[in-house]
Amino acid sequence: SAVISQKPSRDICQRGTSLTIQCQVDSQVTMMFWYRQQPGQSLTLIATANQGSEATYESGFVIDKFPISRPNLTFSTLTVSNMSPEDSSIYLCSVAPTGWETQYFGPGTRLLVL
Amino acid sequence: GQQLNQSPQSMFIQEGEDVSMNCTSSSIFNTWLWYKQEPGEGPVLLIALYKAGELTSNGRLTAQFGITRKDSFLNISASIPSDVGIYFCAGQLEKAGNMLTFGGGTRLMVKP
Repeated sequence: SAVISQKPSRDICQRGTSLTIQCQVDSQVTMMFWYRQQPGQSLTLIATANQGSEATYESGFVIDKFPISRPNLTFSTLTVSNMSPEDSSIYLCSVAPTGWETQYFGPGTRLLVL
Repeated sequence: GQQLNQSPQSMFIQEGEDVSMNCTSSSIFNTWLWYKQEPGEGPVLLIALYKAGELTSNGRLTAQFGITRKDSFLNISASIPSDVGIYFCAGQLEKAGNMLTFGGGTRLMVKP
């Protein structure tokens, strides 16, 4: 497994602003993922952020809205840009340390956009 | 997107009862994972299944990878109040690389 931390744990933001969420892992991992969990819903994959390559976005998510950085094997950031109330969600990072499909999740960042 | 049907959506049971939930799909999966999410937390991996027919236990939890590779179930025996949370199944589709598809979740409530 892996120990994953996220910052901030929660935030309240004004519409039109941007927020950058950090994900830190206690070991080197190639595969890292960003998910969104809207209130009362399941998890939806935003993008895959593997170190050494550009992030791959899922349908409905674009780089201009959710730019991702992956500068090394233990760290990634997700920015939620030009926020609107519809972006109010929990944002979660996950890692797959063994290279299998087994993913471990961080505690999440709870975002409220007013 | 791919459909992964999880049922029931919610359960309200008495402490000590056994619980069963399942996920089904029309597609074939290579991996099944079961997670538990408590309020204010991220999902925590409970059990991972990698082979059709595999039956794995983790304490009072037992999960199986369906023989058809299109379903999985999770059983909780002798439920206790701390079992409360949302349980998610997740599967890795045969042709979807490392992407996980999540079920809609089963909200479990346990009455002491």
